[in-house]
Amino acid sequence: EVQLVESGGGLVKPGGSLRLSCAASGFTFSSYSMNWVRQAPGKGLEWVSSISSSSSYIYYADSVKGRFTISRDNAKNSLYLQMNSLRAEDTAVYYCARDSISTALDYWGQGTLVTVSS
Amino acid sequence: DIQLTQSPSFLSASVGDRVTITCRASQGISSYLAWYQQKPGKAPKLLIYAASTLQSGVPSRFSGSGSGTEFTLTISSLQPEDFATYYCQQLNSYPFTFGQGTRLEIK
Repeated sequence: EVQLVESGGGLVKPGGSLRLSCAASGFTFSSYSMNWVRQAPGKGLEWVSSISSSSSYIYYADSVKGRFTISRDNAKNSLYLQMNSLRAEDTAVYYCARDSISTALDYWGQGTLVTVSS
Repeated sequence: DIQLTQSPSFLSASVGDRVTITCRASQGISSYLAWYQQKPGKAPKLLIYAASTLQSGVPSRFSGSGSGTEFTLTISSLQPEDFATYYCQQLNSYPFTFGQGTRLEIK
């Protein structure tokens, strides 16, 4: 069974940093691109970042470019999102999601809440 | 960036109704479109990928169509568990944008 479990969310002050993790199981992690998608309270879905299976290709939304860094460790079946210079507008539930050969995000984690507030 | 516009943003319907949600792309995206269902407090669930392919385990009352810039999600006979918010997403090019969502509520 495919499972994605996010962790690392919490309350952080504006300008602070946080590192999210996503532990994957039930599939060959190293064969799939992975994504982070976020959802601000009461709002729609926003794609944040993607990383290819071997980390060769990395993409970011303009809203996080230069502040967030996506990475992965295929030996540990884990995906990460390092978030720096956090702003109030980064407050959201952050989901990791598997990319099914760029036809869809076919599996999602349960999400982890990041709150940026003083 | 490719913009996706869903219509309507809000839909009120009854159990047994047939409903259609439209997703329009600001430029052609071939068939690189997916549809998701999200219920409150839950992660999105994939329904349709490649514009018209039903994800495994999704009931056949859901169907998708379209290519290029106009796409539709149809639910042939609404069931109580279908009342949720629906999103389209394009995966033709980065950034992988989502539509703003369509909230489907019980009339």
